[in-house]
Parts: sequence; structure tokens; C-alpha cells
Amino acid sequence: SQTIHQWPATLVQPVGSPLSLECTVEGTSNPNLYWYRQAAGRGLQLLFYSVGIGQISSEVPQNLSASRPQDRQFILSSKKLLLSDSGFYLCAWVDSSNTEAFFGQGTRLTVV
Amino acid sequence: EDKVVQSPLSLVVHEGDTVTLNCSYEVTNFRSLLWYKQEKKAPTFLFMLTSSGIEKKSGRLSSILDKKELFSILNITATQTGDSAIYLCAHTGANSKLTFGKGITLSVRP
Repeated sequence: SQTIHQWPATLVQPVGSPLSLECTVEGTSNPNLYWYRQAAGRGLQLLFYSVGIGQISSEVPQNLSASRPQDRQFILSSKKLLLSDSGFYLCAWVDSSNTEAFFGQGTRLTVV
Repeated sequence: EDKVVQSPLSLVVHEGDTVTLNCSYEVTNFRSLLWYKQEKKAPTFLFMLTSSGIEKKSGRLSSILDKKELFSILNITATQTGDSAIYLCAHTGANSKLTFGKGITLSVRP
């Protein structure tokens, strides 16, 4: 069966520090992968999505970047965090033969 | 530009009430319309709709899609306090882009 792993679950980082959030998928190949950010009590803002290795589409210009070094790995990064980067980050995948999305458990990032 | 608009943004009801949550969308190359429920962490899947006029039902929840008018509704009958959550609507479109609305916060009071 397919599973998605996202870590860490919580993270407290100082302003100006780097960030690396990792998401991996098991049990499927060539998934479409997504990173979202969610402000408290609000909907999901699409940050990046990828339909294949090395292919990244950016939706919102900001202080973040994404990479897909392997088929089932999607990484969200920042060189220098800002206070406004705080939020709940969710990774999701969609099987190429199915349009339902499956989510990781999320990472709550607090920049202090 | 792909867009999903949900309404109302928030709703407070009492147990036993029936609620209707709305989702309208604009998308290039529509593939599916999805509904999710989010309580504390990751959203959980409720329904996937691809065809107009066919109601999907799961217990007290049901949903239907109108591809001509570009909207979907999610109905919850006999609401319970456990239905309190954020309800998210999303669509998949061109290039597998998955776009969510801002969500509807439902509060069910005893």
C-alpha cells in the first residue's frame, strides 16, 4: 500500500537559519508531489508541485525553494528563514492514475 | 487562472441541524473535484467527484457536482459535535495542479 512520510512534525527555528523539510512516498512510482502551507484556521496555499524528477513548478514567489532529487522524494528548503515563514506545511501526493490526494502528517514550523 | 471559492467561510450550527457547504471553481482541463475534512493535522479524504449530477454519499455526508455551473455542494445532515472541522474543496486541472479553496470552518454546538 502507498504511504507518505513527512518530517519533522514540529520545528522551531531562529530567523535567518536554513530550513529543510523532507517528504517521501512509498508504494508507488512517478507520483505528482505537492507542498502546501496553511495559516491558522485557513485553507491550503499551494507552494510548489512536481510531476517528475527535477521538475518543479513554483506557485508563489517567496523565500522558499523545492527540489525533487529522486522519484519519491520532495524537499522544501530555505536559505534564511523569515518570521513570516511560520506555518503548517503539508506534503501531498497524487497517483498518476488517480486524482485523489494523500497527505503527510504535516510540519508545524515556528520561526522565532 | 485556476481558482476555488468556498462559502460561507465559517458557519455555526447546533447539533441536529443540516448544513450545506458550497464550492465554486474555475479550472483549465478539469479532472476532478475533491472534498476533505481537516480537524487537527492532515486533511482526510471525503469525496472525489468527476461526473455531473451523480450524488456521492457516505453516512450523513453527501456531495454532488455540477460541471455546467462549475460548483459542488457538500451536505451534512443531523450534524454532531464531531463534525466540527475545516472542510476543504479542491480541484485537479491542467498539468496535475491541485488547487484548494480557503476552507469552511464549521462549528457544531451541543
